[in-house]
Amino acid sequence: AQSVTQPDIHITVSEGASLELRCNYSYGATPYLFWYVQSPGQGLQLLLKYFSGDTLVQGIKGFEAEFKRSQSSFNLRKPSVHWSDAAEYFCAVGTPGGNKLTFGTGTQLKVEL
Amino acid sequence: NAGVTQTPKFRVLKTGQSMTLLCAQDMNHEYMYWYRQDPGMGLRLIHYSVGEGTTAKGEVPDGYNVSRLKKQNFLLGLESAAPSQTSVYFCASSYVWRVGSYEQYFGPGTRLTVT
Repeated sequence: AQSVTQPDIHITVSEGASLELRCNYSYGATPYLFWYVQSPGQGLQLLLKYFSGDTLVQGIKGFEAEFKRSQSSFNLRKPSVHWSDAAEYFCAVGTPGGNKLTFGTGTQLKVEL
Repeated sequence: NAGVTQTPKFRVLKTGQSMTLLCAQDMNHEYMYWYRQDPGMGLRLIHYSVGEGTTAKGEVPDGYNVSRLKKQNFLLGLESAAPSQTSVYFCASSYVWRVGSYEQYFGPGTRLTVT
């Protein structure tokens, strides 16, 4: 069965600084990978996804993520964080031919002004 | 399009009471899911459905039942609520845009407290 690890529970960055949120997965083949964002009191919104092809994927709100097979990672990045990016971020993994996602435990991002 | 909607948004139950949470989607998605979200545990899948009239168990199905009588609706029932079921419940739906590929769209959540 697949699994996802988000090693950082909380991260604090200054507005304008760069951001990298870590995600490691466990799966025997190439998985489907997703990043979702959850603002306080809201549901989850899809930021970006990776199925195949180019390992650097672009998403909404200026986010990008890079799939690194050798490291079993799918880290989320943003070059310059805005105060409105403060939220909880979830990495998720799915399997080709499957229909379920497995979510990580989330990383809470705080942005200092 | 309203997307995925959930009813109610908040609910307080006493131990032993029953209730049903309603999820509706207007995107003609085949798949629908119920999750619970607890602090530090991410989202855990309770039950899911791959089509009208079909349901399957997820990771944490005990104490819950579901039904998918119409393609656009997915109901989650608690027969006898327990304090351990205090949580935020999310519904999601997805389509298959190519074989084996899918992404999920989430509702706004229902915050349930069982006292």
